[in-house]
This record gives sequence, C-alpha cells and structure tokens, in this order.
Amino acid sequence: EAGVVQSPRYKIIEKKQPVAFWCNPISGHNTLYWYLQNLGQGPELLIRYENEEAVDDSQLPKDRFSAERLKGVDSTLKIQPAELGDSAVYLCASSLAGAGGGEQFFGPGTRLTVL
Amino acid sequence: GENVEQHPSTLSVQEGDSAVIKCTYSDSASNYFPWYKQELGKGPQLIIDIRSNVGEKKDQRIAVTLNKTAKHFSLHITETQPEDSAVYFCAARPGPNSGYSTLTFGKGTMLLVSP
Repeated sequence: EAGVVQSPRYKIIEKKQPVAFWCNPISGHNTLYWYLQNLGQGPELLIRYENEEAVDDSQLPKDRFSAERLKGVDSTLKIQPAELGDSAVYLCASSLAGAGGGEQFFGPGTRLTVL
Repeated sequence: GENVEQHPSTLSVQEGDSAVIKCTYSDSASNYFPWYKQELGKGPQLIIDIRSNVGEKKDQRIAVTLNKTAKHFSLHITETQPEDSAVYFCAARPGPNSGYSTLTFGKGTMLLVSP
C-alpha cells in the first residue's frame, strides 16, 4: 500500500514568490493534516480536513497561506507571497478516523527554502 | 491549549545500553500519547502509543510508561542499536470530552547510538 505522497520534495524560491505543495493521502483516509516543522522543532498543525471540510485552521496564517481539498482526496497548500521565515519542512499526514482516533501517517515532507 | 515539554534534547548512548526520553504535558484532559521516530529526510513514523487507561505498554525493545497524576510519560528503549539513531518526538492529544483536538508535539530528542 502506498503511503502519503508529497511533492515536490524540495523547493527553493525567492521571497515574495508564490509556492504550492501537493499531498495525496493514503487511499480511504478521510482526515488530512498539514503541519509545519521548523528546524529542531516538532510538527505544528496548520490545518486539518475532514473530507473536503477544513475543521481546524486556527493556526493557519490566512493572510498568506491557503489550502484546499476540493474533492476530499488530495490537497494543496499555497503560500503567497513567501517570506524568509517560511523556510521549513511542510508535512502532510492522513488518518482513517477524525482527530479523535486513528494513527496519523506522515508523508516525507517538502523542504522549502526562501532566499 | 496543550503544552508538551520533552527532555533531553540530545542523548548519546553506546550500543546495547538503554535510552530514556521523558515528556510532560499540561492538559489533564489529554488521553492519548504517541511516540514518533523521524529519520533524516523522512516524515515522523509512529513507533508506540499509550492511552490514559493504561500505565505501561511494551513492544519488543520499546516501552512507554504513563503517570497521569504527575502528567508525564516516558519512552524506554532497551538494547539500543545504531539503527535506533534518529529524532524521537512525544505528543499528546485531548480526549472526546474536550471536543477532540489534534496532536501537540514536543520539540524532539536526537538519539545517537554509537557502535
């Protein structure tokens, strides 16, 4: 069974440019998470989807970050415009049940460098 | 919200020795405590978890203990091997009576096992 797929694996952009990350969760997983992981830190939740509905986006900086999961399967996270401080690893995870249950499976992440 | 503290930040042991990583949490409503292992360039992978109705859980060389009264839980790895070298994260999540929330992670412990 394929795990969580993320692309690209690495992205280097200049500040003020837009960038997008893509995630395909494990087949059948209705819950999808986007996390931010700064160097030397644990993952921090940005947004959680139950199917196509964003049920927890309280930590998403909405002035520059947006996300969508239109058909309740794959998802895209966008940053526009990117800032130097956005350099980090962006992790996607998925689980069978809602936030209250089910193991979260993580993808390999996208490492973003903003110059 | 939940706050998870993890110690030590780095841990060096000789192959065959035991390793212990400790975490404390702040929210008494938390009832699920997973441990993740993250290797370089990969996403976190669940290695063991414990729920608040259990005091200890063991899986081969890995064990986790939970003290709800003191709000702390620990990961124990026995007979360490070089392939155990990685960053380990603890996490905590409130239960259904708190409306379910997502995982709050510690800052991680870099474990280095020397041959």
